[in-house]
Amino acid sequence: AQSVTQLGSHVSVSEGALVLLRCNYSSSVPPYLFWYVQYPNQGLQLLLKYTSAATLVKGINDFEAEFKKSETSFHLTKPSAHMSDAAEYFCAVSEFGYGNKLVFGAGTILRVKS
Amino acid sequence: EAQVTQNPRYLITVTGKKLTVTCSQNMNHEYMSWYRQDPGLGLRQIYYSMNVEVTDKGDVPEGYKVSRKEKRNFPLILESPSPNQTSLYFCASSPTLAGGYTFGSGTRLTVV
Repeated sequence: AQSVTQLGSHVSVSEGALVLLRCNYSSSVPPYLFWYVQYPNQGLQLLLKYTSAATLVKGINDFEAEFKKSETSFHLTKPSAHMSDAAEYFCAVSEFGYGNKLVFGAGTILRVKS
Repeated sequence: EAQVTQNPRYLITVTGKKLTVTCSQNMNHEYMSWYRQDPGLGLRQIYYSMNVEVTDKGDVPEGYKVSRKEKRNFPLILESPSPNQTSLYFCASSPTLAGGYTFGSGTRLTVV
């Protein structure tokens, strides 16, 4: 079974600083990879997805992620943090053969300081 | 508006009292899934469905049942809820393997 590891349960950045949220997955074949964001008391919203096209994927709100097969990583970045980016972020990988199951990481809470 | 609708948003119930959380999607998606979210554990899949009348267990199916009699609906049934089922539940739907899931707003369930 696949697994997803998100390094750092909490990340704190200053407004305007670079955001880097780390995600590593375990897979012997290239998977589909996703980043979701969850704002307080809301459901999950898809930020971006990798589906074996370009390795650098751009998403909403200036977020992007790069798929690195050699490192089995899919880290999420944003050049300049905004206060409204404060939320919990989840990395997820599709597990084929299991009805399109998404396997989620434990999540990273992003705090943005003014 | 394309969406996944769950009801209720909040529910407090007593141990052993059967309950159903409804889920409906208006996007004609094939795949539907139920997840529970617990602090520090991320989201774990309870059950999923690949189409009408096709369902299977996820990672944590014990104590739950589902049905998929129509494409748009995928209710989650707790026949005899217990306190360890206190959690935040999400229903989600997806058109394809690579499509990514659209999530509902969640149901916060408390079993006392």
